[in-house]
Amino acid sequence: DTEVTQTPKHLVMGMTNKKSLKCEQHMGHRAMYWYKQKAKKPPELMFVYSYEKLSINESVPSRFSPECPNSSLLNLHLHALQPEDSALYLCASSQGTGEVETQYFGPGTRLLVL
Amino acid sequence: GEDVEQSLFLSVREGDSSVINCTYTDSSSTYLYWYKQEPGAGLQLLTYIFSNMDMKQDQRLTVLLNKKDKHLSLRIADTQTGDSAIYFCAVGNAGNNRKLIWGLGTSLAVNP
Repeated sequence: DTEVTQTPKHLVMGMTNKKSLKCEQHMGHRAMYWYKQKAKKPPELMFVYSYEKLSINESVPSRFSPECPNSSLLNLHLHALQPEDSALYLCASSQGTGEVETQYFGPGTRLLVL
Repeated sequence: GEDVEQSLFLSVREGDSSVINCTYTDSSSTYLYWYKQEPGAGLQLLTYIFSNMDMKQDQRLTVLLNKKDKHLSLRIADTQTGDSAIYFCAVGNAGNNRKLIWGLGTSLAVNP
């Protein structure tokens, strides 16, 4: 099973709201990723967690706050977002244990910031 | 820096073969992936090839790797309307295997 699940599928929020995106995988993977994707563009890496520790932060604004409560779960907390943050947010996971880190993606959360 | 290039559009007739091309600049690229994205969906891993291989076949999909020219191709045999999607080429290397370099994606349109 190579399934990564994400909730919610869609989210509309105002610029003063606080919301969270959730991601879950049960493949025993130890690396998890957040990406942002604008329409018809490739995904842009935001954060990588390895063994529940943040290993890569691609200079993402602090209004995005990731959290990895355990090896199966990844959250992205959102606060005071801007309209330009509207995008598809994708979660991915990979084994995290070796040289080959093939990434498996979830279906994404489509976020609209008003 | 590293770059991955793809042609942006490809249009084929149903039943024909499609060939999507990708070129990359980093000669240390070790892992090369093809992802498919249907409208409104996430990214689906289609296939991948490692730099110690020249070809990989998986049902209707054939991946060819020319390391000398740093060229990767994805051939889809007997293309169907359900193959209409954006296809992304992504490459990684052993030194930094979690940060993939992505192409801009090729939008494949399959006409009946």
